[in-house]
Amino acid sequence: DQQVKQNSPSLSVQEGRISILNCDYTNSMFDYFLWYKKYPAEGPTFLISISSIKDKNEDGRFTVFLNKSAKHLSLHIVPSQPGDSAVYFCAASEGGGGNKLTFGTGTQLKVEL
Amino acid sequence: SQTIHQWPATLVQPVGSPLSLECTVEGTSNPNLYWYRQAAGRGLQLLFYSVGIGQISSEVPQNLSASRPQDRQFILSSKKLLLSDSGFYLCAWSRGQGQAFFGQGTRLTVV
Repeated sequence: DQQVKQNSPSLSVQEGRISILNCDYTNSMFDYFLWYKKYPAEGPTFLISISSIKDKNEDGRFTVFLNKSAKHLSLHIVPSQPGDSAVYFCAASEGGGGNKLTFGTGTQLKVEL
Repeated sequence: SQTIHQWPATLVQPVGSPLSLECTVEGTSNPNLYWYRQAAGRGLQLLFYSVGIGQISSEVPQNLSASRPQDRQFILSSKKLLLSDSGFYLCAWSRGQGQAFFGQGTRLTVV
């Protein structure tokens, strides 16, 4: 049972445009959400997070939006840069339980010149 | 600052051989520790997590086991590897609820 879903396995965007990566979840107990970026043969690196008490969090070019009623979150990258090309994972956790992160399957973002 | 070390970076093992992957964290105490696996074309699947020495929780039934002999050491093991154990294994740590920090990963190929 995939509790965190990223339905788009890949996304291609032109440099300078906005990249929008989407994520859906089914577990209503999730209260903390994160986005990670991963290059091949490396561990994921943290990008940005959001608590369920907020609906938006912004950090430079990265903004995460949370729609709790729809159980949906999205990551916006603007402007997109070639160095943003990587696999992006959405993750979620619920309070307690050792802070286990449940990951989505990832979206491969390619930013083209 | 905190750092996480995971080794080896790559490993090729024959079917039926044992496995031991080690992970250590520096610069923090009593971290939560995790082993994840990324199979080809799949997301990151949580295999084990530990909230303290000797405390291991398994998320999925499998051919692997984990141990935490010291506060900042987490070991992933198998007595007999299967072909299906191939994948990219990641160790991670966290403190409380928040982001987890990942090691560089181990690419395991079982042949």
